[in-house]
Amino acid sequence: EAEVAQSPRYKITEKSQAVAFWCDPISGHATLYWYRQILGQGPELLVQFQDESVVDDSQLPKDRFSAERLKGVDSTLKIQPAELGDSAMYLCASSFEGGNNEQFFGPGTRLTVL
Amino acid sequence: SQQGEEDPQALSIQEGENATMNCSYKTSINNLQWYRQNSGRGLVHLILIRSNEREKHSGRLRVTLDTSKKSSSLLITASRAADTASYFCATDAWDNYGQNFVFGPGTRLSVLP
Repeated sequence: EAEVAQSPRYKITEKSQAVAFWCDPISGHATLYWYRQILGQGPELLVQFQDESVVDDSQLPKDRFSAERLKGVDSTLKIQPAELGDSAMYLCASSFEGGNNEQFFGPGTRLTVL
Repeated sequence: SQQGEEDPQALSIQEGENATMNCSYKTSINNLQWYRQNSGRGLVHLILIRSNEREKHSGRLRVTLDTSKKSSSLLITASRAADTASYFCATDAWDNYGQNFVFGPGTRLSVLP
């Protein structure tokens, strides 16, 4: 069964360092989402792509976060510099068209900033 | 502020009992979805209910939607220990900035054997 792939699964870094997360959505899924989930809370949408275009990045802290999906397939989320408050689970999801379609989630990347 | 709010925040029941979780939201929606998350894992889609639907079933799951009250409920019947997880509702709506997909804070369900 097709799955959303994410790497790494775990990342420990020191504050002020740069980190990057990778996501490979299910083949054929045009919509890709990056979420941040703080322990005990629901996922918060950071950025949504439709193919290679950003549809919504209103909640993305653009001074330190960036996301790209250059060829409309896999995607990278970067944080530079990382801060202590960035410690969280970063989840990637994809859907066929967005909107009235279920989202398929990857296993997430657990980031710890020391 | 978050669109969806689940209630209760935590629920503990015995195996075999039914579990009911509620979700309230604030604005008009296109659809509402329920997801399950096992500890430290990604989310798994359970059910999507559209704004013109009132009830949907999937196996032991029953979801209702009342758009007049801006609320939804998820019922899990004959619960099992494996149902222990966090359950999130997510609303899909349009706002001034475009499409807006928002998760609630979740209900943590514990099913005791």
